[in-house]
Amino acid sequence: AQSVTQLDSQVPVFEEAPVELRCNYSSSVSVYLFWYVQYPNQGLQLLLKYLSGSTLVKGINGFEAEFNKSQTSFHLRKPSVHISDTAEYFCAVSTDSNYQLIWGAGTKLIIKP
Amino acid sequence: DTAVSQTPKYLVTQMGNDKSIKCEQNLGHDTMYWYKQDSKKFLKIMFSYNNKELIINETVPNRFSPKSPDKAHLNLHINSLELGDSAVYFCASSQWDGDYGYTFGSGTRLTVV
Repeated sequence: AQSVTQLDSQVPVFEEAPVELRCNYSSSVSVYLFWYVQYPNQGLQLLLKYLSGSTLVKGINGFEAEFNKSQTSFHLRKPSVHISDTAEYFCAVSTDSNYQLIWGAGTKLIIKP
Repeated sequence: DTAVSQTPKYLVTQMGNDKSIKCEQNLGHDTMYWYKQDSKKFLKIMFSYNNKELIINETVPNRFSPKSPDKAHLNLHINSLELGDSAVYFCASSQWDGDYGYTFGSGTRLTVV
């Protein structure tokens, strides 16, 4: 069975500073990996996904993530955050044998002015 | 031209009442989901339908009953509402053998008083 761990429940960071949100997964088979963002009082929106190919994946709003198979990680990064990035970020995983997404508990990104 | 639309957006009701939430998607996806998000933002899958067939039926009280009249619609009926049912309920859709990304509705905030 797969599982996803988001190591930080909250990440405070100053505006225009870089940020990394950490995600580790557990799976015995090949995985597909996702990051979703949930802005306050809204639904979830796909930020980026890794299905295959290049391990560095670029998404919307200047975010990127790197798939590291040996570390079983898929950390999300942004070089310079803006106040509008304040949101909850969810990491998720699925596989060929189970298309259902397995979700992490979420990381709240708090931007300090 | 909203991709996944849920109604109502807000629902305030008394304990013991019966209520329904409706969801429709116009993406041509063949799979739809109901998620419950609690106050800590944790996402819990409740049900999933693929081409009108129930494929995921997680452990939820049997007061919750999904219904999919066609693959573009998935409704959720809740009987005898309890205080603990207060949460945000999200509908989502995806293509079962597609790129695995989910599209979410904007959520229904249910408050039981």
